[in-house]
Amino acid sequence: AQKVTQAQTEISVVEKEDVTLDCVYETRDTTYYLFWYKQPPSGELVFLIRRNSFDEQNEISGRYSWNFQKSTSSFNFTITASQVVDSAVYFCALSDLNSGYSTLTFGKGTMLLVSP
Amino acid sequence: KAGVTQTPRYLIKTRGQQVTLSCSPISGHRSVSWYQQTPGQGLQFLFEYFSETQRNKGNFPGRFSGRQFSNSRSEMNVSTLELGDSALYLCASSLAFLASYNEQFFGPGTRLTVL
Repeated sequence: AQKVTQAQTEISVVEKEDVTLDCVYETRDTTYYLFWYKQPPSGELVFLIRRNSFDEQNEISGRYSWNFQKSTSSFNFTITASQVVDSAVYFCALSDLNSGYSTLTFGKGTMLLVSP
Repeated sequence: KAGVTQTPRYLIKTRGQQVTLSCSPISGHRSVSWYQQTPGQGLQFLFEYFSETQRNKGNFPGRFSGRQFSNSRSEMNVSTLELGDSALYLCASSLAFLASYNEQFFGPGTRLTVL
């Protein structure tokens, strides 16, 4: 069965520090999709990125970057020069054939606290 | 463009009662998915609807049900409420079926408290 592990329950950093959120996944399928979502205190999940299993290129979007490594089944998320507004819970998620590609299996989330 | 709306935002019920939650997807979106979020279990998939048909269902008891209307609005119902049903219920919409191929937009959720 598919599984997503976010080993870091909570991370605290000071503004302007770089921070990496880890995500390790398990799936038996060769075609799958990986996602990152942000959940601010308001509760609404905000989509950050979707990556398919055939695209191992790293991606950068502003202060955000993602490192996808199939060899270690990891899809880590780095925030450069963190800001207070980055404080939120971040979820990594997986969708694969086992789930019919129509559902998301989420990790438990990592709470990021950025202090001024 | 209006986002996903969920009503009500907060709800308090007692054990044994039933509850209906509503979700209005983004205009033009035809797929609606529901998730339950609890501190212990995290985010868990409930079901997905597309064109008024349930396409996929998570591992929840039959007390949890849902439907989708012709305008893509969706409702979920929980009967015979239990204390463990206390959770944040999130609705997500996307353009098409196989929602994971498409970006899912989430609503703010309905916070259900069962006393």
